[in-house]
Amino acid sequence: QKEVEQNSGPLSVPEGAIASLNCTYSDRGSQSFFWYRQYSGKSPELIMFIYSNGDKEDGRFTAQLNKASQYVSLLIRDSQPSDSATYLCAPRNDYKLSFGAGTTVTVRA
Amino acid sequence: GAVVSQHPSRVICKSGTSVKIECRSLDFQATTMFWYRQFPKQSLMLMATSNEGSKATYEQGVEKDKFLINHASLTLSTLTVTSAHPEDSSFYICSARGPPANEKLFFGSGTQLSVL
Repeated sequence: QKEVEQNSGPLSVPEGAIASLNCTYSDRGSQSFFWYRQYSGKSPELIMFIYSNGDKEDGRFTAQLNKASQYVSLLIRDSQPSDSATYLCAPRNDYKLSFGAGTTVTVRA
Repeated sequence: GAVVSQHPSRVICKSGTSVKIECRSLDFQATTMFWYRQFPKQSLMLMATSNEGSKATYEQGVEKDKFLINHASLTLSTLTVTSAHPEDSSFYICSARGPPANEKLFFGSGTQLSVL
């Protein structure tokens, strides 16, 4: 079993729609959870992090965490073409990040 | 936010040569830095954890004699790929643990290594 599993996609959504990304992880010691966005040929940039069970909203992004189910998700509302990228889920255990393979999102204009 | 500078951004070298990649924390002291490698369309794989003033900790399967890591100061870690071969061609990314008031991880801009 991989440490971090994500739907590889590609996930194609029309502009203005909601993109829903899922991630499951195997390390129960993970303390916090990060979502990174990575454009082709670039390094990841942090868009969201969440520590506690429940929802966390930041602008058009909402992260949801369920530690009992070892599941974390990311919703992107009002998707824009600039959101087209690969989204990486990264649980953290003692500053060591484990990355999923990422979900590629394409927003159609 | 904290800034991590990585260079070079791109390097092309001949097989058998060594390449050094630098990672600097510009406005904070980074006691711990991480080196990742990413092949096309794959995820970031942690290679090693670099601790200032001590030996790096390598992940399983990463050859420490091939990927030399030096973290001689609180703002600089270097990764040297020794005797590079075409299979070492990859995107190498460093990250640094942020200052105590902002304990996120900050990434450098990455180095695309191409070995001919």
